[in-house]
Amino acid sequence: NAGVMQNPRHLVRRRGQEARLRCSPMKGHSHVYWYRQLPEEGLKFMVYLQKENIIDESGMPKERFSAEFPKEGPSILRIQQVVRGDSAAYFCASSLLTSGPTTGELFFGEGSRLTVL
Amino acid sequence: GESVGLHLPTLSVQEGDNSIINCAYSNSASDYFIWYKQESGKGPQFIIDIRSNMDKRQGQRVTVLLNKTVKHLSLQIAATQPGDSAVYFCAENHEGAQKLVFGQGTRLTINP
Repeated sequence: NAGVMQNPRHLVRRRGQEARLRCSPMKGHSHVYWYRQLPEEGLKFMVYLQKENIIDESGMPKERFSAEFPKEGPSILRIQQVVRGDSAAYFCASSLLTSGPTTGELFFGEGSRLTVL
Repeated sequence: GESVGLHLPTLSVQEGDNSIINCAYSNSASDYFIWYKQESGKGPQFIIDIRSNMDKRQGQRVTVLLNKTVKHLSLQIAATQPGDSAVYFCAENHEGAQKLVFGQGTRLTINP
């Protein structure tokens, strides 16, 4: 049973470049969440998606950040024109169709660590 | 605004001792709480959860206590082992919300 798979695990970008982070949820899970973690801090919610739909993007910065979860393939978190402040660990989590944070059945991936030079 | 915070950023205990990690929350609407363990370079791992209609829940070597009167949550780890060294986060949620609010975290170090 593969868990939540994220890639790349480490990504280095120069200011102004684009970063694409991918997340494959656990098998059978159709709910995906993205969180950002700055060094020595807790995780901050960014966006919640279901297949082909963004349900809650209240934690996403208004500019440069976008997320998608297509019918086929992984969820993508895209950061355009990266700045140094975007350096962080980005975690993806997934849950079953009828459950979510209120049941504890939220499984996290190992994260993608973005470094912006 | 809502927030979840921790009293102590670091905690060191001797191997074999019990440890207690504390968490304060401010959202009175929160009705579900989770403790996560995060080892270096890894994602958060679910430890134990508790709903607001309970004040105590036990797992294997772990106990979560919830005091709704003072909006306080604690995680007790019995007979700590070297593998317990990690950062521990509390997180809260309220019915209908699909996002967790995480605290800053407490780094637990187990001394041999």
